[in-house]
Amino acid sequence: QVTLKESGPVLVKPTETVTLTCTVSGFSLSNPLMGVSWIRQPPGKALEWLAHIFSNDERSYSTSLKSRLTISKDTSKSQVVLTVTDMDPVDTATYFCARIRAHIVVPTGYYYYMDVWGTGTTVTVSS
Amino acid sequence: DIQMTQSPSSLSASVGDTVTITCRASQSISSYLNWYQQKVGEAPKVLVYAASSLQRGVPSRFSGSGSGTDFTLTISTLQPEDFATYFCQQTYSMWTFGQGTTVDIK
Repeated sequence: QVTLKESGPVLVKPTETVTLTCTVSGFSLSNPLMGVSWIRQPPGKALEWLAHIFSNDERSYSTSLKSRLTISKDTSKSQVVLTVTDMDPVDTATYFCARIRAHIVVPTGYYYYMDVWGTGTTVTVSS
Repeated sequence: DIQMTQSPSSLSASVGDTVTITCRASQSISSYLNWYQQKVGEAPKVLVYAASSLQRGVPSRFSGSGSGTDFTLTISTLQPEDFATYFCQQTYSMWTFGQGTTVDIK
């Protein structure tokens, strides 16, 4: 059974750096057809993709948040870590991690989608 | 970045209705489009990927279509468990989500 579990602080102060950890089970972070993505959702608002990382360490970041995000993985620990610097109250949200699957269509290419999600961890930014 | 615009933002429907949700991309994204369903207090769940491929285990009343810039998610014969919020997502470049469409009970 594939599961992902997010963990991190519940409350952080403005300007602080937050580190969020996604611990996965049921699949390997070294699987070439899979990756892990971070997504967040402010209360009552839409989903926002933040970053993702693949087995070959290929990373991608949201353009608007790129300067504040770092994603990394520890395959031996089955963990993907996202750090967000300079937190602000507008960063208050539920942060989800999700497994990325690749659907291969020859010769078109790879179609990615997020097929298993964690339950999310809520981070509140307040002084 | 590619902007994804969903319409309508919300709709009211009855059990048994057919519902259509539209997603428009600000530039062509070929078929790099996914649809997710999210219920209150839960994580999203993928319904359709690559614009028209139904995820395993998703009921066949859900279907996706489109390519380029215009896409639709159709729910035929709406069931009580389908009242939720639906998001489209493009994975062509710098992934982005639409703002969501909430389907509630009329």
